[in-house]
Amino acid sequence: DSGVTQTPKHLITATGQRVTLRCSPRSGDLSVYWYQQSLDQGLQFLIQYYNGEERAKGNILERFSAQQFPDLHSELNLSSLELGDSALYFCASSRGGPSYEQYFGPGTRLTVT
Amino acid sequence: AQSVAQPEDQVNVAEGNPLTVKCTYSVSGNPYLFWYVQYPNRGLQFLLKYITGDNLVKGSYGFEAEFNKSQTSFHLKKPSALVSDSALYFCALARNAGNNRKLIWGLGTSLAVNP
Repeated sequence: DSGVTQTPKHLITATGQRVTLRCSPRSGDLSVYWYQQSLDQGLQFLIQYYNGEERAKGNILERFSAQQFPDLHSELNLSSLELGDSALYFCASSRGGPSYEQYFGPGTRLTVT
Repeated sequence: AQSVAQPEDQVNVAEGNPLTVKCTYSVSGNPYLFWYVQYPNRGLQFLLKYITGDNLVKGSYGFEAEFNKSQTSFHLKKPSALVSDSALYFCALARNAGNNRKLIWGLGTSLAVNP
């Protein structure tokens, strides 16, 4: 158990809908990262927050947004969902800077029908 | 620009034999290098990292990796493979100074250990 929790574990929704994925980092970790993993695109970094502020952006679509709250939990919002958004979404946390390893949650499997 | 490459999509090895999963990198300045493992339907797990110091880094589950600056490589090794080592392995790179210190991920190498 990494200490990172993600909810829900599975999510099935229709095209055009909006969903929110939630992540609670390990105790003491200030950084939260979001990743998308699909068979055709591999592991894609989406966005990083550090202590409530956006720190780095990856291949995140404009339809996707995220935030980190004062209690350090984070939410990833996916809107106007398309079939191609079906994937595993992982949250990870770390102490802070790039020298620290990341600890991954179990993931949310999103299926868009 | 920094990049990391895992030149083999898949590695097959017999149980009990040594295994190597390759990773090469390109970065201006000194790197931070990481290995992660992903078992089926699970999140990634941290195995080991190179930050500075000894070029041979030891990690979880008997894995080790050697940082080779001249060859810009950070290959993952284990002296004797187990069937339970079968998983997807990711190498990752970050710069240790300057701007753009985002972690860059390799595409992953699928390791199959045959009994």
